Amino acid sequence: AQTVTQSQPEMSVQEAETVTLSCTYDTSESDYYLFWYKQPPSRQMILVIRQEAYKQQNATENRFSVNFQKAAKSFSLKISDSQLGDAAMYFCAYRSADNNNDMRFGAGTRLTVKP
Amino acid sequence: ETGVTQSPTHLIKTRGQQVTLRCSSQSGHNTVSWYQQALGQGPQFIFQYYREEENGRGNFPPRFSGLQFPNYSSELNVNALELDDSALYLCASSKSRADTQYFGPGTRLTVL
Repeated sequence: AQTVTQSQPEMSVQEAETVTLSCTYDTSESDYYLFWYKQPPSRQMILVIRQEAYKQQNATENRFSVNFQKAAKSFSLKISDSQLGDAAMYFCAYRSADNNNDMRFGAGTRLTVKP
Repeated sequence: ETGVTQSPTHLIKTRGQQVTLRCSSQSGHNTVSWYQQALGQGPQFIFQYYREEENGRGNFPPRFSGLQFPNYSSELNVNALELDDSALYLCASSKSRADTQYFGPGTRLTVL
């Protein structure tokens, strides 16, 4: 079964600085999707970024970018120019391309942004 | 475009009771997935509905059941509530089974 591991329960960053959140996953599949979701105190899970495993190019969305290392099964999220509104729980998630109904989440990383 | 909505926001039940949670999918979306998020954990997949049919189920007992309606809104029903059912229940909709899932704000269920 696929598992997703986020080894950093908590991280903090100074406003305007850069922070990287780690995620590793375990799978025997070759085709899948990876996601980072943000969950602020309002509880709503918000999509930050998505990566298709068949794409070698790392996904980027404004200040958010990923470092996708398929061989190492690593999928880290880099947040540049951190803002106070970035403070939230961040969840890494995996979804198979074949069995695409079951999305597996990590335990989350709580990000604090210091002014 | 209206996003995913869920009702109610909060709910308190006692052990043994039954509960129904509701989800309205985003316009143009035909797939709804339900997740249970216990405190301090990541969401766990309960099941998914695609065009009114169940399309996969996670490791949850049969007392967790669901429905999807012709307008693609969905219900999650939980019978014989247990204390461990206390959690945030998240609904997510997508344009199809393989597309990105967009989440609603969740329903906080407390079982006493």
